[in-house]
Amino acid sequence: AQSVTQLGSHVSVSEGALVLLRCNYSSSVPPYLFWYVQYPNQGLQLLLKYTSAATLVKGINGFEAEFKKSETSFHLTKPSAHMSDAAEYFCAVSDRGKLIFGQGTELSVKP
Amino acid sequence: NAGVTQTPKFQVLKTGQSMTLQCAQDMNHNSMYWYRQDPGMGLRLIYYSASEGTTDKGEVPNGYNVSRLNKREFSLRLESAAPSQTSVYFCASSRLGADTEAFFGQGTRLTVV
Repeated sequence: AQSVTQLGSHVSVSEGALVLLRCNYSSSVPPYLFWYVQYPNQGLQLLLKYTSAATLVKGINGFEAEFKKSETSFHLTKPSAHMSDAAEYFCAVSDRGKLIFGQGTELSVKP
Repeated sequence: NAGVTQTPKFQVLKTGQSMTLQCAQDMNHNSMYWYRQDPGMGLRLIYYSASEGTTDKGEVPNGYNVSRLNKREFSLRLESAAPSQTSVYFCASSRLGADTEAFFGQGTRLTVV
């Protein structure tokens, strides 16, 4: 079965600092991977997805993620955090069309 | 463009009561899903429907039933609610294919007392 593990349930950064949210996957086949963001009291919104076209994937709001097969990782980064980035972030892998989610990482941004 | 619409947004039930959560999508998607979200556990799949007329169990189906009423609508029923079913429930839909993203509703916050 395919799965993802997010390292760190809570990450805190200062405004303007680098954001790094970690995700490792387990898959017996080339995976399709996704990052979603959830703002308080809202549903999930797609940030970006990896579908094997390119290993560096750019998403919305300045986020990007790099697929590294050798490390089975798909970490999410943003060069400079903004207060509006405070939210919960979920990594997910597609298992025959069904999304399997990680536990989530809550990002806090300090002024 | 509404996307995925869930009703109700909030609900309080007493233990043993039943209720149905409604979900409708207007994107002509084939696949629909029900997830529950609990702190520290991410989203867990309850049931899904790959296409109209089919439904399958996900990771945590016990205590729930679903109906794919038509291509647009996918409902989740709790026959006898338990406090362990206190959660936030999300409906989602997607096109067919493993590389397609899911679109989510705003969620239903359910409390069972």
